[in-house]
Amino acid sequence: KAGVTQTPRYLIKTRGQQVTLSCSPISGHRSVSWYQQTPGQGLQFLFEYFSETQRNKGNFPGRFSGRQFSNSRSEMNVSTLELGDSALYLCASSLAGVSNEQFFGPGTRLTVL
Amino acid sequence: SQQGEEDPQALSIQEGENATMNCSYKTSINNLQWYRQNSGRGLVHLILIRSNEREKHSGRLRVTLDTSKKSSSLLITASRAADTASYFCATHASGGSYIPTFGRGTSLIVHP
Repeated sequence: KAGVTQTPRYLIKTRGQQVTLSCSPISGHRSVSWYQQTPGQGLQFLFEYFSETQRNKGNFPGRFSGRQFSNSRSEMNVSTLELGDSALYLCASSLAGVSNEQFFGPGTRLTVL
Repeated sequence: SQQGEEDPQALSIQEGENATMNCSYKTSINNLQWYRQNSGRGLVHLILIRSNEREKHSGRLRVTLDTSKKSSSLLITASRAADTASYFCATHASGGSYIPTFGRGTSLIVHP
């Protein structure tokens, strides 16, 4: 089985721009979660989608949004980028949800200049 | 603040030695999971231990959970250079919140 894939792997943007990250889960997994990882804040949960519905949401501003398609692929969007949004964004998929074993993708490294 | 906090922050050992890292948390949990991350890459799930379990094994890994002390430990026996990575615990609080909370991790270096 193919693992979780994320595109792009690296991205450089400037302040004020917006960005869309993509995640393809493991076949058969209906839950997709997104995380932000920074040296200062560590790993923080952004949100979880299950069967195209947002099921859980972390404590992030509304500039961070996501969606999930009928094939379980998910996208995350960040609008009006700030320098502090520079981070490794990780996507994870699982069969049943975030409280179960999750399989992580390699991440997208976003740099905001 | 982080629910889970790993200790120590960094650990340096020789190949063949055992490595022990700890995770403390603040609220009651449904389960606790340990993950490994190699140098800025994705996380790899190691073990999930439920609140009614006290110990689990997987190969060279042994995880214990003490809910009275709100702490867990991960023991890696006979460590190898390939075990060099950061190790994170993730907790899932009981009471309806399914948001996972990760600690800041223990950075383990195993010298060949």
